[in-house]
Amino acid sequence: SQTIHQWPATLVQPVGSPLSLECTVEGTSNPNLYWYRQAAGRGLQLLFYSVGIGQISSEVPQNLSASRPQDRQFILSSKKLLLSDSGFYLCAWSRAPTNEKLFFGSGTQLSVL
Amino acid sequence: ILNVEQSPQSLHVQEGDSTNFTCSFPSSNFYALHWYRWETAKSPEALFVMTLNGDEKKKGRISATLNTKEGYSYLYIKGSQPEDSATYLCAFRYGNKLVFGAGTILRVKS
Repeated sequence: SQTIHQWPATLVQPVGSPLSLECTVEGTSNPNLYWYRQAAGRGLQLLFYSVGIGQISSEVPQNLSASRPQDRQFILSSKKLLLSDSGFYLCAWSRAPTNEKLFFGSGTQLSVL
Repeated sequence: ILNVEQSPQSLHVQEGDSTNFTCSFPSSNFYALHWYRWETAKSPEALFVMTLNGDEKKKGRISATLNTKEGYSYLYIKGSQPEDSATYLCAFRYGNKLVFGAGTILRVKS
């Protein structure tokens, strides 16, 4: 069976510090991978998605970047965090082709102070 | 800008009531419409993936309909129970990405 792991669960970081959130998927190959963010009181906003190693599509211009160094690994990064980066971050995967449902990780609550 | 809108924003019902929510999406270039349930302290879980105009899906007391020509989907819950309390999200497939609405928060009082 397939599983998705996302860590850490919570993170408190000062403004200007770097960020690295990691997500890995087990039990499948060549998944589509996604990073979403939920800001307070809002829905899920798509940040990045990837259909293969090294292929990253960015949806929203921002302070964040994503990388996919391996088939089942997706990393969300920032060189310098802003207060506005606070929120709940979710990693997700789906099988290709893309009418398949998403499977979500457990999420990371990021607080930038 | 792709707009996926959900209404109402929140809903409070009594146990046993039936309820429904609406999801509106662009009626052109339709690929699929998803519904997810997101319970507190858990990850969102898929309820339905709907791809054809006129699709009707059912899972227990929850069902959904799809109208791709006019760009809307309804989610119905029959005989709501406290365990149905959650945020219900719809999402519109656009190419390789899934664009979510803001969700409907359902609270069922016993």
